[in-house]
Parts: sequence; C-alpha cells; structure tokens
Amino acid sequence: EDQVTQSPEALRLQEGESSSLNCSYTVSGLRGLFWYRQDPGKGPEFLFTLYSAGEEKEKERLKATLTKKESFLHITAPKPEDSATYLCAVRDNAGNMLTFGGGTRLMVKP
Amino acid sequence: DSGVTQTPKHLITATGQRVTLRCSPRSGDLSVYWYQQSLDQGLQFLIQYYNGEERAKGNILERFSAQQFPDLHSELNLSSLELGDSALYFCASSRAGGANTGELFFGEGSRLTVL
Repeated sequence: EDQVTQSPEALRLQEGESSSLNCSYTVSGLRGLFWYRQDPGKGPEFLFTLYSAGEEKEKERLKATLTKKESFLHITAPKPEDSATYLCAVRDNAGNMLTFGGGTRLMVKP
Repeated sequence: DSGVTQTPKHLITATGQRVTLRCSPRSGDLSVYWYQQSLDQGLQFLIQYYNGEERAKGNILERFSAQQFPDLHSELNLSSLELGDSALYFCASSRAGGANTGELFFGEGSRLTVL
C-alpha cells in the first residue's frame, strides 16, 4: 500500500524567510509525484508533477525536487499570499488514483 | 477556476438520510474521481470512473455509490448517513484514466454536515 508522509504538519515563516517542506513516500513503482496547493474552503490546485529522481520543477517562489524516497518543496522568500496547505501525492504503476499525504499548513507572516 | 463544477456547495442533513452530490468535469476530461476530506483523515480516494465505467475503487463505504453518465457528469450517492460522514467531498477530473494520467483538476467541493 502506498504511503505518503509530509512534514512538518504546520510551518510559520516570516515574510522573506526561505524554508522547505518534506514529502516522504513509499510506493511500488512511482508513476508520478504531485504537489498541490489548497486554500481554505477550496479544492486542491495543481502545482507540479515530478517523475524521476533528480528532476526539478520551478514556479515563481516554489521549487520542487525529487529523490528516490522523498520530495522537497522549497519556498524562497515567501510572501503572505503563499500561505496555504501544501499537499503531496503519489501515483503508482498499478493505480489510477493519487494517494495524498496529510499536508503541511504554511503560514507566512508579513 | 479549475473548470470542474460541483453542486451543492453546502448541504446540511440528518442522520439516516440520503444525499446526492453532483460533479461536472472539465470539458474533454473522461475521468472523474471522488475524494473525501475530513480533518482527521486528510484526502481519501473513494472511486474513479472513466468514460462511464468504474475504473478504480478506494475505501468507499457500501452505503456510498457513484455513477458516471453518458454526458460524463458524475453523481455520488451517500445513504443512511452517519455523523462521521460529515466532510468535504471533492470531485476531480483528468483527461485520461490510466497510470500515465497527468494532474487532477479539483472542484471546490461539497461540504456535507450530518446532524
């Protein structure tokens, strides 16, 4: 059974204070690791897909990286509007659905 | 706006009742997924349909059922409701249905409160 663990559960940053979120996974045959952003009361919004170890993707202040056992979401010089819950999910080679982690709730103070 | 439409946005009902949640996927998407999100369980996969056929099943209770219609919209039926069924129910869609499928596009959810 696929397992996804995200840490920390919550993270408070000052505006401009860079940090990283962690996603550790156990999956039989990774067919994609996905990062989503979820605002309160909204559905998850797709950010990145990573397929193989060593791959990196960037979008504005966010950069996602992937190793064989974990993924990191690096946030550089965050702004208050980056405050949200960030979800990590995996798809394996047998399943069609995504298995999600519990998320990291990020709060960026001005 | 993801292009996925869910109705109703909010629903309050009593234990033992039955409700139907509706989802219209993005134009051109053949796959529909249903997820349940509660505070203690996170996002849990319920069921997937691809072009009208059930494709994958997760931890969906026997009291719950779903279907996808020829116009590709989907409905999730929840019956004999219990307090613990209170949650956000999300629908997501994607272009294809297999393991190489790209990202999922989520609707804004239907918040179900069972009293």
